[in-house]
Amino acid sequence: SQQGEEDPQALSIQEGENATMNCSYKTSINNLQWYRQNSGRGLVHLILIRSNEREKHSGRLRVTLDTSKKSSSLLITASRAADTASYFCATDQSGYSTLTFGKGTMLLVSP
Amino acid sequence: SQTIHQWPATLVQPVGSPLSLECTVEGTSNPNLYWYRQAAGRGLQLLFYSVGIGQISSEVPQNLSASRPQDRQFILSSKKLLLSDSGFYLCAWTPEPSGKLFFGSGTQLSVL
Repeated sequence: SQQGEEDPQALSIQEGENATMNCSYKTSINNLQWYRQNSGRGLVHLILIRSNEREKHSGRLRVTLDTSKKSSSLLITASRAADTASYFCATDQSGYSTLTFGKGTMLLVSP
Repeated sequence: SQTIHQWPATLVQPVGSPLSLECTVEGTSNPNLYWYRQAAGRGLQLLFYSVGIGQISSEVPQNLSASRPQDRQFILSSKKLLLSDSGFYLCAWTPEPSGKLFFGSGTQLSVL
């Protein structure tokens, strides 16, 4: 069953704008991860945030985690056309990295 | 550096035919290994994972099986493919439990 659910399903913005994607989940977690997938390719890990962390940064990425609301957000600042991809959140409940993925947000960044 | 190899990239198979997808990891030892399947426009579904040679955990009962004959080799198999087995199959590994996954480039399987 789906643990993480991303919102929105699709997002279209202009270059230079910020993109925010949200993820909600149902059960307690060890950590939450965000991945990126270009069409027809494998997934690339972006950032991991542990259950005892509230915010994490990596370059133009900012991830927040609210365990009381069982939700997370991914912010991409100053988007570029190259950021066009699908973004997935994934939760690790087991501690064995048996990640449960959401359906993803398709991000389109237009030049 | 560590790398993961997955092949073939594309596969078209008739219904009822067997399947063997192979995944190997280089540059590490005793990785945790995973097989995921992604249906068109959907998220990933965990099929199998392995924490060691010969140790396979199945997450979803189905027409597929997995084996780990060597430390860095993970094989996904089927004796008779079904139409519903079509999808994008991804192998992944992690050096540590509860860590990030490194994915292969995937195999697009079409069962006709």
